[in-house]
Amino acid sequence: DAKTTQPNSMESNEEEPVHLPCNHSTISGTDYIHWYRQLPSQGPEYVIHGLTSNVNNRMASLAIAEDRKSSTLILHRATLRDAAVYYCILGKNSGGSNYKLTFGKGTLLTVNP
Amino acid sequence: KAGVTQTPRYLIKTRGQQVTLSCSPISGHRSVSWYQQTPGQGLQFLFEYFSETQRNKGNFPGRFSGRQFSNSRSEMNVSTLELGDSALYLCASSLLAGEVANTGELFFGEGSRLTVL
Repeated sequence: DAKTTQPNSMESNEEEPVHLPCNHSTISGTDYIHWYRQLPSQGPEYVIHGLTSNVNNRMASLAIAEDRKSSTLILHRATLRDAAVYYCILGKNSGGSNYKLTFGKGTLLTVNP
Repeated sequence: KAGVTQTPRYLIKTRGQQVTLSCSPISGHRSVSWYQQTPGQGLQFLFEYFSETQRNKGNFPGRFSGRQFSNSRSEMNVSTLELGDSALYLCASSLLAGEVANTGELFFGEGSRLTVL
């Protein structure tokens, strides 16, 4: 399975931007980069995903390196509600409609008031 | 619309017993995936079902099985429970198998927390 490498933990202050890095050096051409987050006592929730170009949505931005071997999830202004484990995941298409997400250990983001 | 519903939320079993967990996907979603989450191993993919057929399977022993019904509801079963099966079992649904590539979104339930004594 394609692997991603993320820092175990990061800390941020409220109202400041947060840049969460992810390395995926073994990414293949058709792998999408997905980000999910898991708040305490909840199931994971979708944040953003992309293939080659940078992506923005109401929750975050995803910056993808030109060689696609790394990406960065950007939270523009962290709030206390953003404290969660953030997972960077490669989605592998194994043919037809078979598509699998392989979660890593994620980054625990702590947001300080 | 209602989210993904998993039942039961909590259960306690003893070694050797078997357990069945249920998942009702979001209305209209036809793909259901199951994941096991433990502190040591994180989130691990168990299997995915679409239109009552298993489409993908993770690296788990045959004691872990699942099925999907015609209404897209899914169940997973673990037989001959071991202590190491204690975990949070998460179900996720999406519109179509492979649809995740286009929309990027799996919708997760809150999980069923299994404790094996």
